[in-house]
Amino acid sequence: GEDVEQSLFLSVREGDSSVINCTYTDSSSTYLYWYKQEPGAGLQLLTYIFSNMDMKQDQRLTVLLNKKDKHLSLRIADTQTGDSAIYFCAESPPSNTGKLIFGQGTTLQVKP
Amino acid sequence: DTGVSQDPRHKITKRGQNVTFRCDPISEHNRLYWYRQTLGQGPEFLTYFQNEAQLEKSRLLSDRFSAERPKGSFSTLEIQRTEQGDSAMYLCASSWAGQVHGYTFGSGTRLTVV
Repeated sequence: GEDVEQSLFLSVREGDSSVINCTYTDSSSTYLYWYKQEPGAGLQLLTYIFSNMDMKQDQRLTVLLNKKDKHLSLRIADTQTGDSAIYFCAESPPSNTGKLIFGQGTTLQVKP
Repeated sequence: DTGVSQDPRHKITKRGQNVTFRCDPISEHNRLYWYRQTLGQGPEFLTYFQNEAQLEKSRLLSDRFSAERPKGSFSTLEIQRTEQGDSAMYLCASSWAGQVHGYTFGSGTRLTVV
């Protein structure tokens, strides 16, 4: 089946690291993505990882992938108030359609 | 190119009315996707086009929904006989076939059925 799960809420203090977790079900997914959504806006692609990688770093963002456990995480270093948003992970099943399966989103609240 | 544009941003309609939304993708993108997002949930796939061909439709797309992309550029999504359960954000996205680094989403059209 197709199901991506995330914890619903995370609260951190400004300057701390945030870790948002995601589990997915399709072990044959080729790419996994993290998107950010600010209030009233569309989704902005933050980063993605190919399924044969276990880590990807992009400035303050670090993505870790554990294929055995089908677990994906997004670490945001030095979290800022501007990082407050909803974060979605998504998997791309192995077809040629480009269709994405999204989790329900994790609301990140950054307190000053 | 200013990205993916959706129109209108907000639409309030009475139950039973028909509504139509428009999406203008990034001009060089040949794939266009429609998703629906309800409050507190992630986007759910509705349908996608490659050029003008509609290649996949989700079972969420009941027969009251129809999408077109007549010239392989902009797309419209029409909902006939709207129901309160249709209230949601309708998101459009575009990409180039084979592009692996995700799509570009528009800001969405928020539909409220009263």
